[in-house]
Amino acid sequence: GAGVSQSPSNKVTEKGKDVELRCDPISGHTALYWYRQSLGQGLEFLIYFQGNSAPDKSGLPSDRFSAERTGGSVSTLTIQRTQQEDSAVYLCASSPHSQYGYTFGSGTRLTVV
Amino acid sequence: GESVGLHLPTLSVQEGDNSIINCAYSNSASDYFIWYKQESGKGPQFIIDIRSNMDKRQGQRVTVLLNKTVKHLSLQIAATQPGDSAVYFCAENIGTGTASKLTFGTGTRLQVTL
Repeated sequence: GAGVSQSPSNKVTEKGKDVELRCDPISGHTALYWYRQSLGQGLEFLIYFQGNSAPDKSGLPSDRFSAERTGGSVSTLTIQRTQQEDSAVYLCASSPHSQYGYTFGSGTRLTVV
Repeated sequence: GESVGLHLPTLSVQEGDNSIINCAYSNSASDYFIWYKQESGKGPQFIIDIRSNMDKRQGQRVTVLLNKTVKHLSLQIAATQPGDSAVYFCAENIGTGTASKLTFGTGTRLQVTL
């Protein structure tokens, strides 16, 4: 597609439920990143996929968080047993293999009640 | 730990004036820096970048300055317009080659007054 697409744009869930957030990167971009942005804060790195290499999961805050990328394209970020502190905007970005600049999606605003 | 930070959380500028947003970084090995603009409800949007072998780069109405000696980065916006109102983030590249990963600061809110 023309840009990075994320869905849903907004998600309200009850504490303890699992959620799945989807990212559809720009076609041909081999690098895909997930970041989290809490209210009034900067962007916190979560996970990075590059081609067929093992993902860099160093930013995942707990084992309740996981992500996968199927077929080198669409990625899903899963949060199990959501907690109120998981409330944030989850941003996905992609970039071409050999370049550094990211293109971000509009994010998924997650609210845990 | 390594971090990217900003000196001013909020900057108020009159329309037509020039804006300067500052950023300090702490990783001397960083080789690439980017400024992003984020409007309310949207994802960050690329503005301009600079590599560590340069000290200045100009775009349309924007200039980025890099001072590696004091690890300082700045974004200058000429003739600031109401549409420039947003949160601006600096980011530094940590990692080598294609294993790059950006670390972001907390952001500066730019408010343009009429």
